[in-house]
Amino acid sequence: GAGVSQSPSNKVTEKGKDVELRCDPISGHTALYWYRQSLGQGLEFLIYFQGNSAPDKSGLPSDRFSAERTGGSVSTLTIQRTQQEDSAVYLCASSLSGAVYNEQFFGPGTRLTVL
Amino acid sequence: GENVEQHPSTLSVQEGDSAVIKCTYSDSASNYFPWYKQELGKGPQLIIDIRSNVGEKKDQRIAVTLNKTAKHFSLHITETQPEDSAVYFCALRGAGNMLTFGGGTRLMVKP
Repeated sequence: GAGVSQSPSNKVTEKGKDVELRCDPISGHTALYWYRQSLGQGLEFLIYFQGNSAPDKSGLPSDRFSAERTGGSVSTLTIQRTQQEDSAVYLCASSLSGAVYNEQFFGPGTRLTVL
Repeated sequence: GENVEQHPSTLSVQEGDSAVIKCTYSDSASNYFPWYKQELGKGPQLIIDIRSNVGEKKDQRIAVTLNKTAKHFSLHITETQPEDSAVYFCALRGAGNMLTFGGGTRLMVKP
């Protein structure tokens, strides 16, 4: 079946502009995660959605970052007033539920470059 | 928050040799330890995982060991093949909702 998809695959923007990144999780998965991967680094947690519960925003690095998940499916990560340090690959993952042992399936990521 | 140290950062082996990657952690509440393989331009893919009540798990050429007392876990790949070349990440999950990842190991298998 279809895996997690993300769009766009690449995004180049100018410093100060806003960007929106989209994630389509696997159908039926109630848990959705956003991570950030800076060049040559591991993944850094950003935000977690589980069903209709309030999202866990504990990983968002600043108030310029926000995310929403409409209808329990598609999610959008928005970065306002982008800075050069926001350049990274943004990865989305989904899992059947938020239970500890559920595998997280990752999308291919969006590579964001802020000039 | 939780910290995961992964070593080595790069590893070069000859085809057919074994490769071992080790991760150490600090939070004793961690109870799930997956390993991910990431190929160029792709998202990470789960290759094997282990739960805190298990000491070792094998899947063909891949095995993972967990030492809860010493707080470290390792990935072992035997009979390496060129297609094993990729970046490997250890991760863990504790009390929080997210996975915490190590810094990654770039494995290069020379034919």
